[in-house]
Amino acid sequence: DAGVTQSPTHLIKTRGQHVTLRCSPISGHKSVSWYQQVLGQGPQFIFQYYEKEERGRGNFPDRFSARQFPNYSSELNVNALLLGDSALYLCASRRARLAAVTDTQYFGPGTRLTVL
Amino acid sequence: KNQVEQSPQSLIILEGKNCTLQCNYTVSPFSNLRWYKQDTGRGPVSLTIMTFSENTKSNGRYTATLDADTKQSSLHITASQLSDSASYICVVSSHGLTGGGNKLTFGTGTQLKVEL
Repeated sequence: DAGVTQSPTHLIKTRGQHVTLRCSPISGHKSVSWYQQVLGQGPQFIFQYYEKEERGRGNFPDRFSARQFPNYSSELNVNALLLGDSALYLCASRRARLAAVTDTQYFGPGTRLTVL
Repeated sequence: KNQVEQSPQSLIILEGKNCTLQCNYTVSPFSNLRWYKQDTGRGPVSLTIMTFSENTKSNGRYTATLDADTKQSSLHITASQLSDSASYICVVSSHGLTGGGNKLTFGTGTQLKVEL
């Protein structure tokens, strides 16, 4: 079975531009979360979507938005890019119909975004 | 404020030696604690997950412990191998919204390097 997939693998943008990152969860997983990981730090939670609805939001500006599609894939959009948005963006999926205590979250390989 | 602190920040050991990584957390309400291994430029991979009632859990050469009273966890790696070189991240989950809305708090990770 395929794991969590993300595209593109790498991306280079300039300040002020817009970017869209894509994620496909593991088959059967309905929950998708997005994280930003700056070099040398742990991932920071951005959004969680479950059954196409936003279920959680981290402390990120409104320039960050996301959505989940009927097939449970997801997009993360970032507008007006800043240099500080350069990071590894991770997508994670879980089965989680309910808040199962031991439900494991599986991460994708990430998209490396560089803003120049 | 929910926080997860890991120590040491970085560690260098010789192949074949053992090591122990530490994680202290202040997360409430506590749901579970996970250790992830993250290779450079890749997404994190789950090693162990422990709930409140579990004190220890092993996964091959990896053994995690949890003391819910002192809010401390450790990850012990036995007979280290070169492939163990990676960042090890402690992640604590707290129950949030229903329907898959667990909130994860990530540590900044311990960077382990195993040398010959």
